[in-house]
Amino acid sequence: GEDVEQSLFLSVREGDSSVINCTYTDSSSTYLYWYKQEPGAGLQLLTYIFSNMDMKQDQRLTVLLNKKDKHLSLRIADTQTGDSAIYFCAEKGSNYQLIWGAGTKLIIKP
Amino acid sequence: DTGVSQNPRHKITKRGQNVTFRCDPISEHNRLYWYRQTLGQGPEFLTYFQNEAQLEKSRLLSDRFSAERPKGSFSTLEIQRTEQGDSAMYLCASTKTSGSWELFFGEGSRLTVL
Repeated sequence: GEDVEQSLFLSVREGDSSVINCTYTDSSSTYLYWYKQEPGAGLQLLTYIFSNMDMKQDQRLTVLLNKKDKHLSLRIADTQTGDSAIYFCAEKGSNYQLIWGAGTKLIIKP
Repeated sequence: DTGVSQNPRHKITKRGQNVTFRCDPISEHNRLYWYRQTLGQGPEFLTYFQNEAQLEKSRLLSDRFSAERPKGSFSTLEIQRTEQGDSAMYLCASTKTSGSWELFFGEGSRLTVL
């Protein structure tokens, strides 16, 4: 069945780059998304990538897509304390639903 | 900024009581979703509407849960005879069914059942 997997935690030093990884199973996915959730808040769409793209860059964010391995990553350059949050990967499934990962908690060390 | 609005933001209730949450989506969005989220988990799909039609409801959703979107604009989610296991964040999201199909979420309604 459809499934999205992410590591539960990532710890990085302030100023370093963070790379959050995600694997998915539905090869027919047309869009893949990264959402950010801060404590007690809703989910904020950070960026998305269409399945015919390999890379998308948006300011400090870089998304890489490897369709062969069904692997998606989100790189945050120059990580700041305000980037502390849970990051969710999601794929648009074949039935117009979003399939969600469990989220990766990004911890920033000073 | 007229994003997705949800209220109440927090609701504390006693077991057995009924609660209702409201969601006002972005005005030009024709599709509206309800999700439930518990600590340490991703959003769990509950139901969605295309305009006023409820097109899908999760098989995990008990009969105590009902949702409406009477005029294709705002939506309500009602939970009858609440149980402690219903304690969660209830998230509403809306989207246009075209283009990149991005979901925009509200801030959520947190339910605590005592």
